[in-house]
Amino acid sequence: DVKVTQSSRYLVKRTGEKVFLECVQDMDHENMFWYRQDPGLGLRLIYFSYDVKMKEKGDIPEGYSVSREKKERFSLILESASTNQTSMYLCAGTDGGSGNTIYFGEGSWLTVV
Amino acid sequence: RKEVEQDPGPFNVPEGATVAFNCTYSNSASQSFFWYRQDCRKEPKLLMSVYSSGNEDGRFTAQLNRASQYISLLIRDSKLSDSATYLCVVKSGAGSYQLTFGKGTKLSVIP
Repeated sequence: DVKVTQSSRYLVKRTGEKVFLECVQDMDHENMFWYRQDPGLGLRLIYFSYDVKMKEKGDIPEGYSVSREKKERFSLILESASTNQTSMYLCAGTDGGSGNTIYFGEGSWLTVV
Repeated sequence: RKEVEQDPGPFNVPEGATVAFNCTYSNSASQSFFWYRQDCRKEPKLLMSVYSSGNEDGRFTAQLNRASQYISLLIRDSKLSDSATYLCVVKSGAGSYQLTFGKGTKLSVIP
């Protein structure tokens, strides 16, 4: 199994702060994702990356950016946090090959005040 | 029409009951199908993939109906520990990023 680790589990940030959410996977696989999950809205894809330095916008990229400098690390950046970005953020990676199975990190609960 | 739809529930069932969830999808070209389980305030975890011929894993049975574009999950002999939200996931293209998640069906198994 792929193990996906999100280092920050619970964060409280002020409006306008820059926020970094870090994610590391322990397998040598290309595909990594950032989702946010909100009650009633389900999981929504923010960004994904299929290789180092490669990134693609998902369904809701506005207000976010990402960084993939190393294969194992995929960071989500909120340049200027806003209260509507309060959410649970889930990083995910696939198990390679056809990438059929997606594995999630434990989630980062972000509150913006 | 939403791409992947699930009844949000909640389904409240007694221990030992059999319960079934359906999930409909709109893209007829969808290729792969999965059920994920998500416990409260936890990440989703793969429960099982859904194969064309149907598949079973212990008390869990998953089936695919391509003609009617839905997948189902049947849980027999429900346990308290089955209480969770069950997410339907559909992969629509060759790239693994083309995953669409349903919003989930909440199951509560009561003693």
